Amino acid sequence: QVQLVQSGAEVKRPGSSVKVSCKASEGTFHSFGYSWVRQAPGQGLEWVGDIIPLFGTRDYARNLQGRVTITADESATTVYLELSSLRSEDTATYYCARKPAVRSYFMDVWGEGTTVAVSS
Amino acid sequence: ETVLTQSPATLSLSPGDRATLSCRASQSIASYLAWYQHKPGQAPRLLIYDASTRATGIPARFSGSGSGTDFTLTISSLEPEDFAVYYCQQRNNWGGTFGPGTRVDIK
Repeated sequence: QVQLVQSGAEVKRPGSSVKVSCKASEGTFHSFGYSWVRQAPGQGLEWVGDIIPLFGTRDYARNLQGRVTITADESATTVYLELSSLRSEDTATYYCARKPAVRSYFMDVWGEGTTVAVSS
Repeated sequence: ETVLTQSPATLSLSPGDRATLSCRASQSIASYLAWYQHKPGQAPRLLIYDASTRATGIPARFSGSGSGTDFTLTISSLEPEDFAVYYCQQRNNWGGTFGPGTRVDIK
């Protein structure tokens, strides 16, 4: 069973950037799509963006456009989420998730989550 | 932009009860709907995709139905481990992917 292993918790200052990684433990990395989803304290799940490594395509949530970048390193079987110009409202747990096929819309395997706290 | 709404916001039930959760889309999404279970401190868990197909390893007490704009997740008999928040999710678009969630808590 494939696992997605995420990097550790981060504490950042407002205005700075954060980069979170998500490594797939096994499987054919480019056969899947990958998503990032976040949950702010006391809030619901919010889709952040997607990447399909096979096609090199990315899609981002409208409210994060310009601040979010998702990349993939196939040789390292790792997906990255970078969020810049951090604000207090970016404080959340960030999950990476795998889509079972490049055209899937749902996510069948999830990472354990990475807590990002933005505070001065 | 297609928006998902879920009702009720909270469902207070006892173990053994039947739970019926609703998810409504602002326009037709055919059968492109998934359901997830989320517990505090854990990753979300895929339950149902394509409106009615159970994911691998999901118990038969979970079932999904609906198409177009109205969808239902039914838990036939609640087990203690089923008390959680449930989210519906549509195919990605600019309108946002997830519904706001329904919390199922112990009465």
